[in-house]
Amino acid sequence: QKEVEQDPGPLSVPEGAIVSLNCTYSNSAFQYFMWYRQYSRKGPELLMYTYSSGNKEDGRFTAQVDKSSKYISLFIRDSQPSDSATYLCVVNDSTLTFGKGTMLLVS
Amino acid sequence: DTGVSQDPRHKITKRGQNVTFRCDPISEHNRLYWYRQTLGQGPEFLTYFQNEAQLEKSRLLSDRFSAERPKGSFSTLEIQRTEQGDSAMYLCASSLVKDQPQHFGDGTRLSIL
Repeated sequence: QKEVEQDPGPLSVPEGAIVSLNCTYSNSAFQYFMWYRQYSRKGPELLMYTYSSGNKEDGRFTAQVDKSSKYISLFIRDSQPSDSATYLCVVNDSTLTFGKGTMLLVS
Repeated sequence: DTGVSQDPRHKITKRGQNVTFRCDPISEHNRLYWYRQTLGQGPEFLTYFQNEAQLEKSRLLSDRFSAERPKGSFSTLEIQRTEQGDSAMYLCASSLVKDQPQHFGDGTRLSIL
């Protein structure tokens, strides 16, 4: 079992939709959780950084961590075409462990 | 803060040649990381430095790979005797200290002919 699992998509939504991206992880010892966004031919860009369980909001983005179920979510409100990218779910032990990423297409 | 800079952006080479990539981290970031990313996959950890000390290497880092960070500033990643399977994007990231967010460069894309 991979340490971080994500549905690769692509996920296609109309502009203005609410997007829900999810992933699961296997090691209950993980404490730090992140979402990175990656545009084509670019490096990953940090979107959200959370410690332990709970919610964190930043503008149109909300990250949610449920450590009891080992489930991580990212919600994007009022999605825009510029949100079209691959979203990487990441856990932090001593180094970062990435999921495969979910490709989002907003049109 | 000029961000993490990587050079070159794209390297094309023949199988069996040696290649070297450079990474300039965000100034004053003590930690520097190297990752490899292949198509359709998330980045995979290769190695990291705390200042000039290389503290951890992944099993992905075969003996053909070597990384250095002289004086704790920029870092180089060298691949000797390149193979087709080395074709990938090589990403560098830096962070201020342990457990702080890592900031990535735009990577060096390696293509092996």
